[in-house]
Amino acid sequence: DAGVIQSPRHEVTEMGQEVTLRCKPISGHDYLFWYRQTMMRGLELLIYFNNNVPIDDSGMPEDRFSAKMPNASFSTLKIQPSEPRDSAVYFCASTAVGGEAGELFFGEGSRLTVL
Amino acid sequence: SQKIEQNSEALNIQEGKTATLTCNYTNYSPAYLQWYRQDPGRGPVFLLLIRENEKEKRKERLKVTFDTTLKQSLFHITASQPADSATYLCAPSYYGNNRLAFGKGNQVVVIP
Repeated sequence: DAGVIQSPRHEVTEMGQEVTLRCKPISGHDYLFWYRQTMMRGLELLIYFNNNVPIDDSGMPEDRFSAKMPNASFSTLKIQPSEPRDSAVYFCASTAVGGEAGELFFGEGSRLTVL
Repeated sequence: SQKIEQNSEALNIQEGKTATLTCNYTNYSPAYLQWYRQDPGRGPVFLLLIRENEKEKRKERLKVTFDTTLKQSLFHITASQPADSATYLCAPSYYGNNRLAFGKGNQVVVIP
């Protein structure tokens, strides 16, 4: 398996623009997580899905952020409108067992810079 | 809310020595504790999981301990090598809760 695949790897955009980050989880994994990593705050959980259904979105910072999982092999994280404070590395991770006791497999991340 | 504390200062260690990292958590004790390795520009990679009823877990040159009384996990890298240089993150998890929160990580630099 190719692992968790994220795109784009790097994105530079201007404040106010819409940003869409994409993730393809490992086939057969029922859980998908979106994290954001910054130097100040470390790795923060934004939202996670189980069987394509959003279970906990309490980490989503505000209404400008939205995430979808239309099928088992694809998820998006959208920021509209983007702001400079959204600059971070966004990771997608998947697991077969759940975050409780399951090994999370991370993608390589999407580095977002908002000017 | 639960706090996860890892030393923010990088650990510089001579090759061949044992590196020891600490993960402290507050409030209630987790059912499991996971450790991950992260290299610059890469995503975290799972290393080990220890359960609350396990005192110690080993994998090759890695050893993890879990002390629920002290609310602490220790992560050891024995016979450290320059290739072990990375940031190591701990992540406690709880029964019935799939939210996996991470500490900020502790950087290790192994000096040849």
